[in-house]
Amino acid sequence: EGQLVESGGGLVQPGGSLRLSCAASAFTFTHYAMNWVRQAPGKGLEWVSGISGSGGNRYYADSVKGRFTISRDNSKNTVYLQMNSLRAEDTAVYYCAKDRIPGGKNYFDSWGQGILVSVSS
Amino acid sequence: DIQMTQSPSTLSASVGDRVTITCRASQSISSWLAWYQQKPGKAPKLLIYRASNLESGVPSRFSGSGSGTEFTLTISNLQPDDFATYYCQQYNNYATFGQGTKVDIK
Repeated sequence: EGQLVESGGGLVQPGGSLRLSCAASAFTFTHYAMNWVRQAPGKGLEWVSGISGSGGNRYYADSVKGRFTISRDNSKNTVYLQMNSLRAEDTAVYYCAKDRIPGGKNYFDSWGQGILVSVSS
Repeated sequence: DIQMTQSPSTLSASVGDRVTITCRASQSISSWLAWYQQKPGKAPKLLIYRASNLESGVPSRFSGSGSGTEFTLTISNLQPDDFATYYCQQYNNYATFGQGTKVDIK
């Protein structure tokens, strides 16, 4: 397992931008794909985006494609989520989550504590 | 896109009960299914992967079964700590979660 700590959340106006960070420790960061999963207030879990260990492959849910960008800095053991053109429906707790298997099918064995993003005027 | 449908949405049970949650995929996902437990204000916790494999440290009263499009999570001898919301997740084609099943006290 590993340890994941998110930061960068907060209140932003519709149409605005925000960048989330997730600092990882206690595992070999470059070996594992990383993901962002969100949960709107009182709702279920929604996978948002994933990035391979090398950073060469990136994946997005249709709901955020073209607005959000995932990236990682393996020298800093950190994954990012740049969120642009934010909408009220992006309001959620955002979790950083680590793939269980290096380079394999992606279920998630370590999660951060979550960070709240609120989009409101 | 693969859709995941859980039933029921809410389940009322008592300590000691055996409970079963069902998860159906909109197309075959082989055994690429995980189950998570989530408590209010906390991150999800992995319980089961590849449909029936118990994650290390998870009590043996949790079990999973199924393949293809239909899967079940069973909790035998329900304990007070088990009242929570449970999610299935397919990982045949990236990741999709079910809508969740809340297990509450009868």
